This record gives sequence, C-alpha cells and structure tokens, in this order.
Amino acid sequence: KAGVTQTPRYLIKTRGQQVTLSCSPISGHRSVSWYQQTPGQGLQFLFEYFSETQRNKGNFPGRFSGRQFSNSRSEMNVSTLELGDSALYLCASSPGQGVSYGYTFGSGTRLTVV
Amino acid sequence: TQLLEQSPQFLSIQEGENLTVYCNSSSVFSSLQWYRQEPGEGPVLLVTVVTGGEVKKLKRLTFQFGDARKDSSLHITAAQPGDTGLYLCAGQYNFNKFYFGSGTKLNVKP
Repeated sequence: KAGVTQTPRYLIKTRGQQVTLSCSPISGHRSVSWYQQTPGQGLQFLFEYFSETQRNKGNFPGRFSGRQFSNSRSEMNVSTLELGDSALYLCASSPGQGVSYGYTFGSGTRLTVV
Repeated sequence: TQLLEQSPQFLSIQEGENLTVYCNSSSVFSSLQWYRQEPGEGPVLLVTVVTGGEVKKLKRLTFQFGDARKDSSLHITAAQPGDTGLYLCAGQYNFNKFYFGSGTKLNVKP
C-alpha cells in the first residue's frame, strides 16, 4: 500500500511569491489534514478536508488556503509568502473524518522563503 | 501557552537505560495519540489511547493514559539507538479539535 505522497520535497521561494504544495493520501483515505511544523511553534494545525469540503480550520491567516479533489488528493496554497512561512509542511491522511482514526503522515515539503 | 505540555523537552541517555516521557493538559482528552518523528520525515503513529487508565504495550514501549484522561506517559525499557527521535503526543478535544505537544527530543547513545 503506497503511503502519503507529498510533492515537492524541497522548495525555495522569494518573499511575496506564492506556492502550491500537493498531497496524495493513502488509497481509500478520504480525510486530508495539513500541518505546519517549525522549531519554535511545533506542529500547528492548518486545515482538514473530508469529501472535498473543509471541515476544520486552524488559526492561520487567509493567505493559507487549500482544497481537496474528488480523488481525495489535496493541495495547499500560500500566497504573498513571508519569511516566517519557512517551515516543514506536513500532510496527513486518515480513513475517516477526525483524528481518532489515526493519521498517516507524508514526509513533508520543506519550504524556505528567502 | 501550549495546550499540551510535554516533558522533558530533551533527553540524552545511554543505550540500555529506561526512560519516561510525560504529556499533560488541564483539559480532558477524548483520545490521545503518541507519534515518533525522525529527522526529515513525518511523524509515525505509535498508539491511540481512549479509555481512562488504559495501558498499551508495543514491544519495549508502554503507554499509559491517566484515569482522568488529562495526562499520559510513554515508558521505554532498555532504550536502543533506534529509539532516537522526536516523540510527540497529540490530544483530541471535543471530538473535533486536535493539538500536538511540542515534543520530547530523545537521543540514545550507543
């Protein structure tokens, strides 16, 4: 069974640019959640999608957005990048909505904003 | 302020030693999970506990959920270098809010 695939693995962007990250969940998993991980703040919840609908959202500015497609694949977009957006962005999939099913994480996308 | 407090933040021990990592909150969890994360990778789920007082064992790892469902501990017996990593607890509140602790960075020296 293929795991959660995140692309790209590494990304360097300039302040003010926008970026799109991609996540393919485990086959059959319908829920995809996104997290930002930084050394100072740890893992911070961005949002959760289930059946193409955003079900939960964390406390991030509107520059952070996402969507989920009918095949459960998800994308996350960050517009007008700031230096503080540099982080490891992790995608997690689960069979159903809510974390009680247990997350399977991807290896993440390391975003560096210069 | 972290909703979930993990302690210690860092732990460096010799191979063969025992250790315990703690996860505490002032709120009641509906469920709690433990993950291990290695550098450059995403966290990997170790266990989910749901019932107060529950104890689960995974080889040399023992997980305990407090009776009041506000705290949890992870005990590793005879630690090995392969146990090195960041241990994260994650608590679910009200069945739809989920928070990670800041983690315990464990280094097991051969």
